[in-house]
Amino acid sequence: GNSVTQMEGPVTLSEEAFLTINCTYTATGYPSLFWYVQYPGEGLQLLLKATKADDKGSNKGFEATYRKETTSFHLEKGSVQVSDSAVYFCALYSTGTASKLTFGTGTRLQVTL
Amino acid sequence: GAGVSQSPSNKVTEKGKDVELRCDPISGHTALYWYRQSLGQGLEFLIYFQGNSAPDKSGLPSDRFSAERTGGSVSTLTIQRTQQEDSAVYLCASSLEVATGERYGYTFGSGTRLTVV
Repeated sequence: GNSVTQMEGPVTLSEEAFLTINCTYTATGYPSLFWYVQYPGEGLQLLLKATKADDKGSNKGFEATYRKETTSFHLEKGSVQVSDSAVYFCALYSTGTASKLTFGTGTRLQVTL
Repeated sequence: GAGVSQSPSNKVTEKGKDVELRCDPISGHTALYWYRQSLGQGLEFLIYFQGNSAPDKSGLPSDRFSAERTGGSVSTLTIQRTQQEDSAVYLCASSLEVATGERYGYTFGSGTRLTVV
């Protein structure tokens, strides 16, 4: 079946540090890949997406590249801010009998001054 | 509406009681999804509805859980005889249709935090 594996958190970084949150997946076919973000006390928001191999999704300074050869979709940001503190979820969407988003367990990011 | 609306935002109930959680999707969205977010467990799929098709109930954890969607819009998730392990945040999401969910993802509500005491 489909599954998403994320690095365990929490990840604690100083402001302006470089961020990488690893995500790998297992899926049948050619899934679409997503990163969602959940700020404290809020619902999930779509951060970025990629629908085919080698696509790069980007938003708010965050980037992730769909790597089919390594089945990965790592999230990166060059310089994090305190306001980026949140929980980040990697997800995949695969059609057919599993036509729904499958999420990873989430990675909490804490950015300090 | 402008976004996905869920009510109540918080619910505390006694073990053994039934609860109903409501989701009002974005107007015109035909696909509606329920997920459960438990501490340390990530998001667990429960059920989805697509138009008038039979819902995909494959994620419901037991027969105490059920959901319906009336008139293709509002959905209610019902948990009967609640147990302490049902405590979680229940999230609803919608998309224009299942296919657009694949390309563009879902729009989530803020969730209902259920606490069973």
